[in-house]
Amino acid sequence: QKEVEQNSGPLSVPEGAIASLNCTYSDRGSQSFFWYRQYSGKSPELIMFIYSNGDKEDGRFTAQLNKASQYVSLLIRDSQPSDSATYLCAVNHSSASKIIFGSGTRLSIRP
Amino acid sequence: DVKVTQSSRYLVKRTGEKVFLECVQDMDHENMFWYRQDPGLGLRLIYFSYDVKMKEKGDIPEGYSVSREKKERFSLILESASTNQTSMYLCASSSGLAGGTDTQYFGPGTRLTVL
Repeated sequence: QKEVEQNSGPLSVPEGAIASLNCTYSDRGSQSFFWYRQYSGKSPELIMFIYSNGDKEDGRFTAQLNKASQYVSLLIRDSQPSDSATYLCAVNHSSASKIIFGSGTRLSIRP
Repeated sequence: DVKVTQSSRYLVKRTGEKVFLECVQDMDHENMFWYRQDPGLGLRLIYFSYDVKMKEKGDIPEGYSVSREKKERFSLILESASTNQTSMYLCASSSGLAGGTDTQYFGPGTRLTVL
C-alpha cells in the first residue's frame, strides 16, 4: 500500500462545476496535510494546508480532512480552465521529519 | 515571498560525468530538500538537510550525494551520471518551525538528461 494514494485521473470537469480531488493516507499519526498544484513543466506550488479535522476554505478552494477515515480532499468551486493542472496531496510522516507526496491527480477543466 | 532558485532549468550530460545541481533559498530557511520527479512515480525524496553541514538520506539516495556548506545553499551531486538519472530534479526549502513537516516551497526545477 502506498503511503499517500491519489487517483491519477485524468479527472474531467466542465467549466463552472465543482471539482473534487481525493487523497487517502496510511500513517494514522500524520498531522499536517498539504495540497499543491503543478502545471505541466512547472514546479509544485502550495494551494492550501490543513491540520484539523473539518473544512478549511480559501477563496474557491476548500480542503476537507477526516483523520478517522484517513482521508483528505480538495474541492474547487466554479472551476476555470486555468485550474487544469496536476494536484499533489502531501502528508507528513509521523515518525520521520519529512513529507510524503502522492503521485498526483491530473485535472482537466473543459470549456 | 519565498524564493528558491536552481542553477539550471535544462542540463544535458554524458554518462559517467560528475554533475552538480545547485539550489539557493533567500528566506533563511532551516530545511532544504532534493527530490526527483518521474512520470507515474511522483515526487521522490533523495536527500534533505536540517542544518548546515547536516544531511539525511531520503528514499532514493543511491548514486547521489549532497553538500550544505552554507545555510542558503544545498547542492546535489551525481558522482557518475547514468541514463537512469534522467529526470526532473526539484529543490525545496521549509522554515523548520515544525520540524521537517512544515510547508515546502519549490524551486523551478532542473530537467536533466543523461545521454
